[in-house]
Amino acid sequence: GDSVTQTEGLVTLTEGLPVMLNCTYQSTYSPFLFWYVQHLNEAPKLLLKSFTDNKRPEHQGFHATLHKSSSSFHLQKSSAQLSDSALYYCPSHTGNYKYVFGAGTRLKVIA
Amino acid sequence: EAAVTQSPRNKVAVTGGKVTLSCNQTNNHNNMYWYRQDTGHGLRLIHYSYGAGSTEKGDIPDGYKASRPSQENFSLILELATPSQTSVYFCASGDAWQQNTLYFGAGTRLSVL
Repeated sequence: GDSVTQTEGLVTLTEGLPVMLNCTYQSTYSPFLFWYVQHLNEAPKLLLKSFTDNKRPEHQGFHATLHKSSSSFHLQKSSAQLSDSALYYCPSHTGNYKYVFGAGTRLKVIA
Repeated sequence: EAAVTQSPRNKVAVTGGKVTLSCNQTNNHNNMYWYRQDTGHGLRLIHYSYGAGSTEKGDIPDGYKASRPSQENFSLILELATPSQTSVYFCASGDAWQQNTLYFGAGTRLSVL
């Protein structure tokens, strides 16, 4: 069946270094993929979602490109900021709208 | 911006008591979800719904019931609350015409003593 795999756990980066959080999918078709972000004591919210065409979604300096050849939708940012410290999710979203988030990737940016 | 409102925001319950968490959305979304969040577990899906009158089990439904009496409202019911259900609960809504982008409520912090 369709599935999405996200690198879980803690990623610690020094401010100013590039960010890449991994998300790969397994699907018989090109799915809609998402990145959500949750800051401390806040609700999760949408950060990015894939498009059906070749556009690369961007928001707040983050971008993600859907690569069909590698079945990936990695989240990237050229330069990490302290305010990027948060929990990031790449949820599994099947055709019947069952939305599974998992443990997510915690990004900690240090000075 | 889609609006999802949860109530109460904080709740202290006693073991064995009944707890009802409410969620209201004003965006006419078909799909609604209940998640719980515990440290180290991220968001875990408890129940979800495709529309009024429907409820589906998520990944951790044991000990929880759900009710969707209308398009706008989706409740999570703990008939016999236990300390292991102490958690933060999030409700979300979404719809197919937005590729089911989810909009979350602010969360309910539940403590079962």
